Amino acid sequence: NAGVTQTPKFQVLKTGQSMTLQCAQDMNHEYMSWYRQDPGMGLRLIHYSVGAGITDQGEVPNGYNVSRSTTEDFPLRLLSAAPSQTSVYFCASSYSNYGYTFGSGTRLTVV
Amino acid sequence: GQSLEQPSEVTAVEGAIVQINCTYQTSGFYGLSWYQQHDGGAPTFFSYNALDGLEETGRFSSFLSRSDSYGYLLLQELQMKDSASYFCAVRSSSNTGKLIFGQGTTLQVKP
Repeated sequence: NAGVTQTPKFQVLKTGQSMTLQCAQDMNHEYMSWYRQDPGMGLRLIHYSVGAGITDQGEVPNGYNVSRSTTEDFPLRLLSAAPSQTSVYFCASSYSNYGYTFGSGTRLTVV
Repeated sequence: GQSLEQPSEVTAVEGAIVQINCTYQTSGFYGLSWYQQHDGGAPTFFSYNALDGLEETGRFSSFLSRSDSYGYLLLQELQMKDSASYFCAVRSSSNTGKLIFGQGTTLQVKP
């Protein structure tokens, strides 16, 4: 049982490049979310999903796309990277209202 | 909209008791959660209150007053390893899994 797995752990992008942050969970959780964390800003919700085929926008969705074709996977796509997207990205999953399990994070730098 | 307010920093000594407050404004409310995050790590689920009152687990307690839109996390017999950031988070819908976080409180425990 690996929990929530995020890849890559570190990434450097040039402005304008696109990439996909991967997230997979093996706990059969219906709820999955993506957060970004910046110093002093806490965790801000980017997109979330209530199940395969269903996604919705969070607090800061601009510049990001998501899809949920399976219960296990919830990739986050950066369409055209900008320095403002330099952050630590966390994926999380949950099966109930109780608590989310977080991945170890992806540290992204856009230069 | 939704917003959560918590102090940015709290300092206490080993063995002491510390309380971290959280006030929230949300359009709906389905529970207040607390998450702990050590430096460089991922957030981990700490406690959850859906109903008014106190939930106790060992050295830690969490309290909720829905009428006051207020909760707190109480840490007793502080240990150095309790030094971390603590985030309150609100679920504003019963069936979306959407979880909004406060900006976090950094707790520093001194010898």
